[in-house]
Amino acid sequence: GEDVEQSLFLSVREGDSSVINCTYTDSSSTYLYWYKQEPGAGLQLLTYIFSNMDMKQDQRLTVLLNKKDKHLSLRIADTQTGDSAIYFCAENWNNQGGKLIFGQGTELSVKP
Amino acid sequence: ETGVTQSPTHLIKTRGQQVTLRCSSQSGHNTVSWYQQALGQGPQFIFQYYREEENGRGNFPPRFSGLQFPNYSSELNVNALELDDSALYLCASSLGLATITDTQYFGPGTRLTVL
Repeated sequence: GEDVEQSLFLSVREGDSSVINCTYTDSSSTYLYWYKQEPGAGLQLLTYIFSNMDMKQDQRLTVLLNKKDKHLSLRIADTQTGDSAIYFCAENWNNQGGKLIFGQGTELSVKP
Repeated sequence: ETGVTQSPTHLIKTRGQQVTLRCSSQSGHNTVSWYQQALGQGPQFIFQYYREEENGRGNFPPRFSGLQFPNYSSELNVNALELDDSALYLCASSLGLATITDTQYFGPGTRLTVL
């Protein structure tokens, strides 16, 4: 079945780059997503990438996709303390919009 | 601020009871999806409604049911509560149906505790 896996924790210093990794199993997924969840808040869509792309850049965020290895990463440049949160990668379930399969989340801790 | 609200914020129930959670979508959003997020886990898809009809369901038993109303509000009902139902329940609304890049706006969630 569908499964998305992420490492659970990442700790970086303010100003450094953060790289959060994810592997997924559903090779038919057309889009892959990154969401951010802050304490007490819902999920915020950060960015997404179309499966025929290798890379997408959006300001401080860079998404890399290796479709052969089913590996997705999110790089945050110049990480700030406000970036501390849980980051989820997600894929479409059977390519149906709105039905997402999420990883278990990576808790990013940014130290001053 | 996503414009999606959920009520109540927190809820405590006992095993065997029934619960109704509510979500108010952004005006004009025809699709609402519900997710269950257990502590330390990612959200799990429960089901989706489009224009008041169920449009897909995840791996959840029939005691999880839903309703969507014409005024962009919706409900998640859970019967015969079990301890494992303790979780954060999230609703997400979007404008259209199955449009992959149609942004989903998540509410802040309802924290349900079953004792």
